[in-house]
Amino acid sequence: GENVEQHPSTLSVQEGDSAVIKCTYSDSASNYFPWYKQELGKGPQLIIDIRSNVGEKKDQRIAVTLNKTAKHFSLHITETQPEDSAVYFCAATAFGNEKLTFGTGTRLTIIP
Amino acid sequence: KAGVTQTPRYLIKTRGQQVTLSCSPISGHRSVSWYQQTPGQGLQFLFEYFSETQRNKGNFPGRFSGRQFSNSRSEMNVSTLELGDSALYLCASSLVAGLDGYTFGSGTRLTVV
Repeated sequence: GENVEQHPSTLSVQEGDSAVIKCTYSDSASNYFPWYKQELGKGPQLIIDIRSNVGEKKDQRIAVTLNKTAKHFSLHITETQPEDSAVYFCAATAFGNEKLTFGTGTRLTIIP
Repeated sequence: KAGVTQTPRYLIKTRGQQVTLSCSPISGHRSVSWYQQTPGQGLQFLFEYFSETQRNKGNFPGRFSGRQFSNSRSEMNVSTLELGDSALYLCASSLVAGLDGYTFGSGTRLTVV
């Protein structure tokens, strides 16, 4: 089955700097890669996703890149703000699989 | 539009009891998935339902079961509770699983004592 590894497990950055979180996946059949943000006491919230037919997707301060050959994808957050502090999860699945396989999460702390 | 609603938010049960958790998906969403979240194991897939049929099941014992109703609302049941079942149980809904994003509810925090 699919296995997703996520690094780093914790990340602290100064407000205004950029943050990068990386994930690798094992199943070459995976073709949908969402990123979730989870705040304390809440469920994971989808912040951006990418499908295997594109290499990069951007939404304001957030971007995701995908390298299918190397089987890795990354989340980039620019101009970080205190409200970006949360736990971020990457995930992978294939269309028709119905199951998301999650990474182990990255606790991001933005230092004011 | 209303999000995914999970009830109850918190639950405390005793070992050996059973529990039923409820999930109301976003209106129009027909796929409902359940996940267990623990500090040690992270987010793990339990099962997925579409049009009242279970299409996929994770690696959990038979004590974990679920169902989906004709209005797409879903319930999951855990029988003979064990201490290790203490977790945050999350429900996610999707128009059609795997083709678009999954929206999660806030979860039910189950504590087994």
